[in-house]
Amino acid sequence: AQSVTQLDSQVPVFEEAPVELRCNYSSSVSVYLFWYVQYPNQGLQLLLKYLSGSTLVKGINGFEAEFNKSQTSFHLRKPSVHISDTAEYFCAVTPASGGSYIPTFGRGTSLIVHP
Amino acid sequence: KAGVTQTPRYLIKTRGQQVTLSCSPISGHRSVSWYQQTPGQGLQFLFEYFSETQRNKGNFPGRFSGRQFSNSRSEMNVSTLELGDSALYLCASSLGLAGGKGSRETQYFGPGTRLLVL
Repeated sequence: AQSVTQLDSQVPVFEEAPVELRCNYSSSVSVYLFWYVQYPNQGLQLLLKYLSGSTLVKGINGFEAEFNKSQTSFHLRKPSVHISDTAEYFCAVTPASGGSYIPTFGRGTSLIVHP
Repeated sequence: KAGVTQTPRYLIKTRGQQVTLSCSPISGHRSVSWYQQTPGQGLQFLFEYFSETQRNKGNFPGRFSGRQFSNSRSEMNVSTLELGDSALYLCASSLGLAGGKGSRETQYFGPGTRLLVL
């Protein structure tokens, strides 16, 4: 069984400031990790994913995330946010072993960028 | 290339009725997955279809079913609707199986169908 905890339900930040959205997970097996963004009235869009290799993953729109196995975390960061980054962000995990694909999502973090 | 399209975008039904939602994947994509998004339960995986076969299934009752056609288009059906089925239903497509061994195909999501059950 897996679980995902997004530690902040809402993160307000000023434009051009850095931001970190936190994600912790729990799993009895190895996992793959994902961050998605959802803009109002739209579906999800993949920002980045970690499957293996370098623990620092770079994604689209200037976002990056670092996989920390010992702390079971996968925090999302951006050095300078824009108004257009205002959206809901979801962290997700899937089992890495076998072909089973049952993703588990966090409850989401609402990023609100103020001018 | 056109994105994932879902029809209808909005739907109102009453308890006990059944509903069918449709999803057209990106051209060339063979996998279609369905998700339910509610304020109470968040985002939950329903099932994935690849080459007309259900390959993965989430923890939902049998009232939720789906199918995929030879052109990769997919439909999801919910029978005997309950108030709690009110949700945004998202469809996502990928080139290959989303949950292949040792890989995770990138999924592309549609805008969703918002279902309200009265």
